[in-house]
Amino acid sequence: QKEVEQDPGPLSVPEGAIVSLNCTYSNSAFQYFMWYRQYSRKGPELLMYTYSSGNKEDGRFTAQVDKSSKYISLFIRDSQPSDSATYLCAMSAGGGKLIFGQGTELSVKP
Amino acid sequence: GAVVSQHPSWVICKSGTSVKIECRSLDFQATTMFWYRQFPKQSLMLMATSNEGSKATYEQGVEKDKFLINHASLTLSTLTVTSAHPEDSSFYICSARDYTGGTTDTQYFGPGTRLTVL
Repeated sequence: QKEVEQDPGPLSVPEGAIVSLNCTYSNSAFQYFMWYRQYSRKGPELLMYTYSSGNKEDGRFTAQVDKSSKYISLFIRDSQPSDSATYLCAMSAGGGKLIFGQGTELSVKP
Repeated sequence: GAVVSQHPSWVICKSGTSVKIECRSLDFQATTMFWYRQFPKQSLMLMATSNEGSKATYEQGVEKDKFLINHASLTLSTLTVTSAHPEDSSFYICSARDYTGGTTDTQYFGPGTRLTVL
């Protein structure tokens, strides 16, 4: 079993839809949680960062961390074609080394 | 967010030659940088951890004599692929660790370098 599980998709939604991306993990020591967006042939871009549990909102993006369930989510409201990318969850127990999910490929159709 | 640059963005070289890739943290000092490799449609694979002023730590299966890493300053790490072969062709990405203690410990990534070895 992988430490971090993420549905690879692909996920296709119409423009304006609410997108829900999720990751589960097994290591209860994880306390730093990130979501990255990666466009084709580009490096990952940090979208959301959460320490420990709770919700965080930034514009159309909301990140949720439920440590009791070992489950993190990223919600994208009013999705746009420009949101089409691969979304990677990543987490760490400290020390800097990140454990990544497999990435979910998202396509938002106009 | 913080900015990390990489140079070059793409490079083509002949088999047997060496290629150097630079990674710079532009707006914060990074005592730790990381080097990743990514194959198409796959997630990032950590190659090594680069600490300023000390030797890099390589992941299992990564040849340290082939992938030379130097972290000479708090804003610059370099990866040199020595005696490159076609199987080394890949997308190489660096990241800089932003750690202020306590609640902040994340990484900012560079734009990546696409290496093609002929």
